[in-house]
Amino acid sequence: DVKVTQSSRYLVKRTGEKVFLECVQDMDHENMFWYRQDPGLGLRLIYFSYDVKMKEKGDIPEGYSVSREKKERFSLILESASTNQTSMYLCASTLMGALGYNEQFFGPGTRLTVL
Amino acid sequence: SQELEQSPQSLIVQEGKNLTINCTSSKTLYGLYWYKQKYGEGLIFLMMLQKGGEEKSHEKITAKLDEKKQQSSLHITASQPSHAGIYLCGADGTGGGNKLTFGTGTQLKVEL
Repeated sequence: DVKVTQSSRYLVKRTGEKVFLECVQDMDHENMFWYRQDPGLGLRLIYFSYDVKMKEKGDIPEGYSVSREKKERFSLILESASTNQTSMYLCASTLMGALGYNEQFFGPGTRLTVL
Repeated sequence: SQELEQSPQSLIVQEGKNLTINCTSSKTLYGLYWYKQKYGEGLIFLMMLQKGGEEKSHEKITAKLDEKKQQSSLHITASQPSHAGIYLCGADGTGGGNKLTFGTGTQLKVEL
């Protein structure tokens, strides 16, 4: 089975702290994604990566950066956490597929609270 | 950009009742994905539809994609407490690539 793991299920940080969220997948997938999920807004794409060291901005990249040094690992970085970044963060991965073949496999999520 | 609208936003049904969740796109759907999420957890893939008029079933859940490929429905027959959760539809972005656009989700509660 495809497995996507995230480093923490729950995280509490203070405003201004640098925060690292780690995601690891074990199926040799090319594509990896970071989303945040907020009530009433659904899933919004922050960043994605289609190869090692490659990244592209999603719909809401402001305040975030990412790193992909190895194929299996995709990190989301909050350079200076703010209270409006309190959210559920979800990581996903998928093979490099054609349109209509992009089933994404999700991790369990990290609920981040910024105080 | 593609937008997906889900309805209803939330739903409470009695155990044993049938229900339907709808997902409507502003553009033609190349691939439509249904996911289920239990509260506070990640998304679990249910099924994917590609062709106009396609219908797939898994246990008591049936998903359909209309002929015009702009609307999908998810139907649950004889709902059970295990069906409770958030149901999200996702669609392939237009113009290629592997990004999915998601609807805002439908929260389902099943009462005993």
